[in-house]
Formats: sequence, structure tokens, C-alpha cells
Amino acid sequence: DAKTTQPTSMDCAEGRAANLPCNHSTISGNEYVYWYRQIHSQGPQYIIHGLKNNETNEMASLIITEDRKSSTLILPHATLRDTAVYYCIVRVGSSGAGSYQLTFGKGTKLSVIP
Amino acid sequence: IAGITQAPTSQILAAGRRMTLRCTQDMRHNAMYWYRQDLGLGLRLIHYSNTAGTTGKGEVPDGYSVSRANTDDFPLTLASAVPSQTSVYFCASTARVGTEAFFGQGTRLTVV
Repeated sequence: DAKTTQPTSMDCAEGRAANLPCNHSTISGNEYVYWYRQIHSQGPQYIIHGLKNNETNEMASLIITEDRKSSTLILPHATLRDTAVYYCIVRVGSSGAGSYQLTFGKGTKLSVIP
Repeated sequence: IAGITQAPTSQILAAGRRMTLRCTQDMRHNAMYWYRQDLGLGLRLIHYSNTAGTTGKGEVPDGYSVSRANTDDFPLTLASAVPSQTSVYFCASTARVGTEAFFGQGTRLTVV
């Protein structure tokens, strides 16, 4: 599996954009970048994923550098409910339908401050 | 509501006892996973199953076993529980390559 590196913690003012970086310098060509978050003691929640192009959905935007060695998750207008641990994951390539693992690191603890 | 269900929600277990954590999904997902989460260590993969009938070892498989007799169920068994297995356990599933993972609500296990 390609490894990821994330800052341990970050703060963000409520209403401002939260930019969470992730380094994945050993990513291979067929590996996707996934982002999940975990609020309190709940199960992780999927946010977004991408391969090469930038992606946007109702929750966030994902910016992947051209060399694919790093990415940034952007929460455009952070709210207090966005306080969570955010995980950046690089998915192992598949050898068949549904055949891949999800390996989580320690993530970034984002604190949104009023 | 479709999703992934874990049971029990929490359990206190005497050391040396056998325990099976249950996980069921009704989304017909191919792949399923078991993770444990400990303070300061994040989520660590215990075992996974790419499809019914197959299983694989994750990062921390020792002391745990799994089976995947059908698509929907993926039980995790502790044959002889030890205090170091005190943790929160999460089950997850994914439909196929490139799709999101769904997680259960977790099982909080305390081995005393």
C-alpha cells in the first residue's frame, strides 16, 4: 500500500475554509485517493475520492497535484459539526471485483473554533 | 433502511472467554472489513474479505478469526479473549473497486 502523511491536528475558524493536506509520494498510477472522517466515536464516513482530476461534491472538494504525490481536502465553509478526525487513504490496486483493502492512518484532528 | 449492522453495541467479557462479534450488511457488497480502534493508534485493519468464501489478514490479525460463508455476514471471533483486545471494533463493506465504504456503528468491547 502507498503510505500517507497527514498533520496530526489543525484548527479552523467557523465559516472559513478548512484545507487539510495529505502527502502520498509513493502512490502508483492505478491508486485512488480517498478521504473519510470520523466524528466522536461514530463509524468513519466517506467524503470524497479521486484519481487524477480535482473533484467536488456537496461535502467537499479534493485537489490532487499534477504529479499525484499530494492532495488537499477543502471544506469550503467549516461548521462546528465538521470537527472530526479526517483520514486520507490511498487504495491498493484491485485484482478483481471488490478486491482491495482500506488501510487507515492516524488522520488529522480538525477542530472548528467558534 | 439499507446499511451495515453490528452486534452487540457493547460487551464486557471475561479474559479467556470466546466471543463473536456480528456484522451484517444488506447492500450485497462484495468486500467486508474488520477494524479495531484504540486511542492514539487510529483504525487498524484486522481481517478482510474480498468476496464470499475468501478472507485475508490485515495489519493486526493475531488472536482473531473470521469467516465469510455468504455475502451478507462477516463475523469476527476472539477464541480466547485477552485484555489487550479491549477496543472499539468497526465493520465495513464496499461494493466494488472505486466505491465508498460503509461503516457500522461499532462494538465497544472490554476484556477484564
